[in-house]
Amino acid sequence: QKEVEQDPGPLSVPEGAIVSLNCTYSNSAFQYFMWYRQYSRKGPELLMYTYSSGNKEDGRFTAQVDKSSKYISLFIRDSQPSDSATYLCALDSGGGADGLTFGKGTHLIIQP
Amino acid sequence: DAMVIQNPRYQVTQFGKPVTLSCSQTLNHNVMYWYQQKSSQAPKLLFHYYDKDFNNEADTPDNFQSRRPNTSFCFLDIRSPGLGDAAMYLCATSRDDRKETQYFGPGTRLLVL
Repeated sequence: QKEVEQDPGPLSVPEGAIVSLNCTYSNSAFQYFMWYRQYSRKGPELLMYTYSSGNKEDGRFTAQVDKSSKYISLFIRDSQPSDSATYLCALDSGGGADGLTFGKGTHLIIQP
Repeated sequence: DAMVIQNPRYQVTQFGKPVTLSCSQTLNHNVMYWYQQKSSQAPKLLFHYYDKDFNNEADTPDNFQSRRPNTSFCFLDIRSPGLGDAAMYLCATSRDDRKETQYFGPGTRLLVL
């Protein structure tokens, strides 16, 4: 079983829809949970950062972490064509400066 | 106001011909990372520098080396590129182990002929 599972998509939704993106993981040591957005041929940019379980909201974006189920989600409200990108979840145990463990990313397409 | 700069953005090399990718940062972050990202795959950490301390991932091939001459610069050397090394190479920085400060560069896309 891979450490982080993420459906690669593509996920295609109409403009204005609510989008739900998800990752599951197996390592209970993960305590920090991040979502990155990556446009084609660009580097990932950090969208949301969450520590432990709970919800965090930033504008149209909401990150949700359920450590008991090892399940994390990113919700995008009022989706826009400019939200079309690949969304990667990234997890960290917080044990040091070693790198993040990424999911493969979900390719999201918002249809105008 | 680029904060993590990678050069070149695109690199074409021949099978077996050494290549060097560069990364510079203006954030004054003390940790620098190199990730490899193949098409439709998750970024995979190759190694990182915490200040001057080099940390190699266990499964990073010996073909990959890195140098960090100062805080601002870090280089990725691929001694004998194979076809399987074609990928996007991402440089990232962070302040200590605070991953919420991790900032990625735009990447260098490497093509091996």
